[in-house]
Amino acid sequence: GAGVSQSPSNKVTEKGKDVELRCDPISGHTALYWYRQSLGQGLEFLIYFQGNSAPDKSGLPSDRFSAERTGGSVSTLTIQRTQQEDSAVYLCASSRLSGGVSVEQFFGPGTRLTVL
Amino acid sequence: GDSVTQMEGPVTLSEEAFLTINCTYTATGYPSLFWYVQYPGEGLQLLLKATKADDKGSNKGFEATYRKETTSFHLEKGSVQVSDSAVYFCALTPGANSKLTFGKGITLSVRP
Repeated sequence: GAGVSQSPSNKVTEKGKDVELRCDPISGHTALYWYRQSLGQGLEFLIYFQGNSAPDKSGLPSDRFSAERTGGSVSTLTIQRTQQEDSAVYLCASSRLSGGVSVEQFFGPGTRLTVL
Repeated sequence: GDSVTQMEGPVTLSEEAFLTINCTYTATGYPSLFWYVQYPGEGLQLLLKATKADDKGSNKGFEATYRKETTSFHLEKGSVQVSDSAVYFCALTPGANSKLTFGKGITLSVRP
């Protein structure tokens, strides 16, 4: 079956512009996660969705970052007024809802964001 | 908060060498532990996991044992192949439906 897909695969933008990154999770997966992978910081958690609500937003680095999820499926991560330090690979992951045991998160290929 | 510490890299080995990648963690309670791998040009994928103390995860010849007494989850393989060249990440979650906390990753290169 189809895996997690993300678009665009690459995005180059100018400092100060807004960008939107999209994630399509695996069908039926109710949990969706955004992470960021950068050279200096490694892999960092950003936000977690369960259905359309976000019970954990603790990793969003500033109020320039926001995310939403609609229909319990597609999610969009928006970065406003981009800065050079936002340059990174943004990864999306999804998993089925677990009744108690930790389950595998399936990762998408990522969006490489470059802020000039 | 939770954290994962991996040994510094990169690591370069000859084919058929023995591999150990160290991973230790700090967490409250009983986290689940994972090794993820990122092959060149590919996305992150789960290599193996263990959800409770003394569990051994295994896959593709790799093994790791959840050691609560030493808070460790070291990755081992008896005989590496060139195709094992990748970046390896140790990670934990505190419980079900929770975020992953990753180590910094280590690059493994295996030469023929």
